[in-house]
Amino acid sequence: GQQVMQIPQYQHVQEGEDFTTYCNSSTTLSNIQWYKQRPGGHPVFLIQLVKSGEVKKQKRLTFQFGEAKKNSSLHITATQTTDVGTYFCAGQNRDDKIIFGKGTRLHILP
Amino acid sequence: DTGVSQNPRHKITKRGQNVTFRCDPISEHNRLYWYRQTLGQGPEFLTYFQNEAQLEKSRLLSDRFSAERPKGSFSTLEIQRTEQGDSAMYLCASSLRAGTGGETQYFGPGTRLLVL
Repeated sequence: GQQVMQIPQYQHVQEGEDFTTYCNSSTTLSNIQWYKQRPGGHPVFLIQLVKSGEVKKQKRLTFQFGEAKKNSSLHITATQTTDVGTYFCAGQNRDDKIIFGKGTRLHILP
Repeated sequence: DTGVSQNPRHKITKRGQNVTFRCDPISEHNRLYWYRQTLGQGPEFLTYFQNEAQLEKSRLLSDRFSAERPKGSFSTLEIQRTEQGDSAMYLCASSLRAGTGGETQYFGPGTRLLVL
């Protein structure tokens, strides 16, 4: 069945450093979504990418969708303590099924 | 508050008991999803509804699990004869599916289940 893999599983960065998480799907996706979950909280939608090669920015966050629509990345520039949490990608296939990755847990060192 | 709500927020039960959780989606949303999340894992799909129709159930969903959305609004998830392995956070999400575009899921706060 469809699988969505996310790496790394954990990332510790010094405050101010950049951070990137990668998402790979075993099948071609119709779209990919990114969510952030703070410790003790629930997933909160960040963005959706639909087009091949699409790049979207939200302040310090840059999201990319691969040309083959099978991979995606989230890059955070100059991390801040408020960026702490787990970042999930969720791939939706043509059958509308949504599969979440296991997430990348970001920890910021002050 | 017009977000997704879930009740109860916490549930402790003894093994073998039945539990029922409720999810109230955002009112205009036609899709409602149930997920299970354990520590260090992503949300794991269980089932989803479009209006009152249950369109898909995960193979992970045993016969002890049943979900309903009788009027296409709120939904309930029942677990019969709970087992310790059922302990997890149960998340509900709703979305508005229109046309062929993607959909944004809005998650509720979850119900944390502990089976003793």
